[in-house]
Order: sequence, then C-alpha cells, then structure tokens
Amino acid sequence: KQEVTQIPAALSVPEGENLVLNCSFTDSAIYNLQWFRQDPGKGLTSLLLIQSSQREQTSGRLNASLDKSSGRSTLYIAASQPGDSATYLCAVSGNTPLVFGKGTRLSVIA
Amino acid sequence: DTGVSQNPRHKITKRGQNVTFRCDPISEHNRLYWYRQTLGQGPEFLTYFQNEAQLEKSRLLSDRFSAERPKGSFSTLEIQRTEQGDSAMYLCASSLGPGRGRAGEQYFGPGTRLTVT
Repeated sequence: KQEVTQIPAALSVPEGENLVLNCSFTDSAIYNLQWFRQDPGKGLTSLLLIQSSQREQTSGRLNASLDKSSGRSTLYIAASQPGDSATYLCAVSGNTPLVFGKGTRLSVIA
Repeated sequence: DTGVSQNPRHKITKRGQNVTFRCDPISEHNRLYWYRQTLGQGPEFLTYFQNEAQLEKSRLLSDRFSAERPKGSFSTLEIQRTEQGDSAMYLCASSLGPGRGRAGEQYFGPGTRLTVT
C-alpha cells in the first residue's frame, strides 16, 4: 500500500528566504507526482505535475524534482513571499487515484 | 479558477438525514474523482469514474455512500443516514484519461464542507 510522508509538518520562514519541502513515498511504481497548494477552507490548486519519466518541473519561483528510485520529491520555493503562506500537499498516482501526504503548513512572515 | 465546480459549498445536516452533493468537471475531462478530507489530513480517495463507468471504490466508501455519473458529465455523491463521523470536506477532481494530453493531472473543485450535528 502506497504511503506518502511530508516533512516538515510545519515551517515558518522570513520573507525572501529560499526553502525546500520534502515528500517521500514507499512504492516507486508511480505514474506521476503532483504538488498542490491549499489555502484554509479551500480546494486544492495544482502547482506542478511531474510524470514518472521526468526528473523535474519548473513554474515561476517553484521547482519540483523527482527521484523515483529513492522515492523522493522536493519542492523548492525561491524568494518566498507572504502570499506563499498555505499548506502544500504532495500526491502520487499509481494506477489512478492520488495518494496524498498530510501536507506541510508554510508561513512566510513579512 | 480550475473549472471544476461543486455544489453546495456548505451543508449542515442532522444525524440520520440524507445529503447529496454535485460535481461538474472540466468539460473535456473524461475522468472524475471523489475524495474526502478531514482537518489536518490530506485528501483520501473515495471513488472514480471514467465516463459513466464507476471503475474503483475505496474501502472508505461504506454502503451508505453512493456515487453516480449517469451521462458521463456531472456526478453526484449521496450519503444516506448521515453520522457525525461523515463531517468532512468532500472534494471532486477531474482529469483526462490515459493517452490524452497531460493524462492523470487532476484539477480540484472548491469542495463541499459537510457538518453533521
């Protein structure tokens, strides 16, 4: 059974800092990996999708990497801003349904 | 705006009542998923459809839960005889199927928050 772990559970950083969020999964037979952002009481916003054949994806200040063999992904956020404050969720897809971690709650302090 | 819509956004009901939620996916997406999320947890898979066919159901989906997608477009999730433990955010997502564009990338709606009193 696939299990996804995200470390740290919570993170507080000053504005402008670069930061890394970590995601690990137990079964490397994945189809893709998605990073999402969730604001309190809201739905999920897709940030990046990495397909199993890819190593990384970039969008603006966000860069996500995937190492299937070690079961790890990282989300790098450059020059963090207060508007980046949210919960970041990692999810992996095997056959079809996504399996999620519990998320990392990020606070960027102005 | 991801294009997936859900109604209602909030529902408060008394224990024992039945409730029904609706999800309208992105129009060209043939796959539709239902997830449940409780406070401090990531979403948990409930069931998914490819077109009108329900292809997989989680063990979380007790016999009080039923989902339909009769014409392969919108979907409904019904909970019968609600219990306090059903209180959660119910999320719907949609995606393209295999072999089509960015297959598997799921786009989520805003969710329906259910409170059972």
